[in-house]
Amino acid sequence: EADIYQTPRYLVIGTGKKITLECSQTMGHDKMYWYQQDPGMELHLIHYSYGVNSTEKGDLSSESTVSRIRTEHFPLTLESARPSHTSQYLCASSEDGGRYNEQFFGPGTRLTVL
Amino acid sequence: SQQGEEDPQALSIQEGENATMNCSYKTSINNLQWYRQNSGRGLVHLILIRSNEREKHSGRLRVTLDTSKKSSSLLITASRAADTASYFCLQLPSGGYQKVTFGTGTKLQVIP
Repeated sequence: EADIYQTPRYLVIGTGKKITLECSQTMGHDKMYWYQQDPGMELHLIHYSYGVNSTEKGDLSSESTVSRIRTEHFPLTLESARPSHTSQYLCASSEDGGRYNEQFFGPGTRLTVL
Repeated sequence: SQQGEEDPQALSIQEGENATMNCSYKTSINNLQWYRQNSGRGLVHLILIRSNEREKHSGRLRVTLDTSKKSSSLLITASRAADTASYFCLQLPSGGYQKVTFGTGTKLQVIP
């Protein structure tokens, strides 16, 4: 079944740890996105990708990094987590052209850094 | 900031009433999309309106777009308790530039 997956769903870790949030989609979409959502609800684009080997920074500055080695996989890494990274992280994908870029979202990863 | 503004920030209505929420944006757009988010989970696409369209319907949803005012509105008619959620607009910029921008969101509570 075509879908977009994020793991883990919840993560509680200590300061200084390196973490990777996984995002995979089985829809063959070229475009993928990472958003950070504050407790107050606002969504901020932090990274996006047009396709394999393409990554761009979004509007909100983030200490995280991303990679796009395979079409279906767009992991986000924090080298040294801090309490300020506590947030919900949402991954999304969309087709290139065609349906005017409707985005399909994963369920999100809720990260808490102690 | 490119963030779009939505109003109201929160809205509480009785079941059966209509709910209207508005989205304003700053740059010219290719299209504008509305999404729903339940209980802090992922977002679900509801409806898309292109820059050359003025109104669009989908079931109980009606979206309007005024490009001269750079604003859009989402109307949910005959609301149900299941419509309780947060609603966001997303702007896809024109000119082939694909950095999308979400609005600030409206929290809708529909009271049974």
